Amino acid sequence: DIQMTQSPSSLSASVGDRVTITCRASQSISSYLNWYQQKPGKAPKVLIYAASSLQSGVPSRFSGSGSGTDFTLTISSLQPEDFATYYCQQSYSIPRTFGQGTKVEIK
Amino acid sequence: QVQLVESGGGLVKPGGSLRLSCAASGFTFSDYQMSWIRQAPGKGLEWVSHISSSGSSIYYTDSMKGRFTISRDNAKNSLYLQMNSLRAEDTAVYYCARESYDSSGFYFGYWGQGTLVTVSS
Repeated sequence: DIQMTQSPSSLSASVGDRVTITCRASQSISSYLNWYQQKPGKAPKVLIYAASSLQSGVPSRFSGSGSGTDFTLTISSLQPEDFATYYCQQSYSIPRTFGQGTKVEIK
Repeated sequence: QVQLVESGGGLVKPGGSLRLSCAASGFTFSDYQMSWIRQAPGKGLEWVSHISSSGSSIYYTDSMKGRFTISRDNAKNSLYLQMNSLRAEDTAVYYCARESYDSSGFYFGYWGQGTLVTVSS
């Protein structure tokens, strides 16, 4: 199974900050990497798929990059509604696997 | 619009069984592969099982093989998860999710609201 490792596990940031979350796969997954946002009590929502494709309706301050084993989710200017937990997920193979999550909190 | 609505969760004793359902609407259900994904209280997301659009290909995460059975009824636009020999560690919110696809790959584009399964004596 492909292991996904996110860092950091949590971070504190202020509104307007640039935030970067990284995700590393235990083997190459090409660009088969997705990013999700989850708010408390809600289902996850896809933000980025195929490493860098922005899902329809997602603000352009979210962006993704990377290929192979190393990937990044960037929020260019953190907004109040962005405080949430973010997960990466590989779709290269089954079983699909998720990172452990990164909780973005208000500083 | 696409809707996925889970049902069937609840409180069950260790060793017991439960059958979850997911009713799909707003899209051609038989065109999409589906998954169950769970989240234990305060924990991260864990993929549980996958079924292809026709139901011919099925996969499970190792810890659930032999205990959980995924199935679908394309005529009823429904996905199911039969869970047997339940353990305390199976306590979680269970989500059904539609796996969308474009030329760049697969992703879980739509999720249900989740149904809570609590395994406790």
